[in-house]
Amino acid sequence: LAKTTQPISMDSYEGQEVNITCSHNNIATNDYITWYQQFPSQGPRFIIQGYKTKVTNEVASLFIPADRKSSTLSLPRVSLSDTAVYYCLVGDTESTGGFKTIFGAGTRLFVKA
Amino acid sequence: GAVVSQHPSRVICKSGTSVKIECRSLDFQATTMFWYRQFPKQSLMLMATSNEGSKATYEQGVEKDKFLINHASLTLSTLTVTSAHPEDSSFYICSARVGASEKETQYFGPGTRLLVL
Repeated sequence: LAKTTQPISMDSYEGQEVNITCSHNNIATNDYITWYQQFPSQGPRFIIQGYKTKVTNEVASLFIPADRKSSTLSLPRVSLSDTAVYYCLVGDTESTGGFKTIFGAGTRLFVKA
Repeated sequence: GAVVSQHPSRVICKSGTSVKIECRSLDFQATTMFWYRQFPKQSLMLMATSNEGSKATYEQGVEKDKFLINHASLTLSTLTVTSAHPEDSSFYICSARVGASEKETQYFGPGTRLLVL
């Protein structure tokens, strides 16, 4: 089963770049890597998704090395409002052919003034 | 991105009553939706996969007779917590899948806070 490992928590200051790394040693060949952000009492919000190398959108970048056993979410110049829990997800293809997504523990980012 | 709504956003009920939570995909059709439960300070726990027109697939340890899931249309899935008890108090979140399998993106609803007295 695909499984992800992330740091439990991280602290940063406003204006800094934050990099959160996720390990997914058992990622399957066809699996994509997706990152979500969750604020308290809200549903997770999609941030970015990628398969390999680098993906960038208006809010973040995602770096994926050639072996794809890890990925790094990069948040440029964080603000206080980026304080949230960040989840890294990879697919979980079952032997029966079904597919589902399992959440890991996530990384609690705390941005200080 | 795609929008998923949930109703109600919060509900308080007495022990022993049943509560229905609706999950709707507003601007797209979703053949597959997921239901999660989240306790304070914990991650989301997948409860079941809801497939339009067929029975839901429940995760191990989730009682299918207690958490009834119906996915009667491509835009609506419902979760009914039957005979709710205080230990069922939690944050329930649904999501709808866009895309196929490995490249899927899930869009999540805002969640429903259930408090059972």
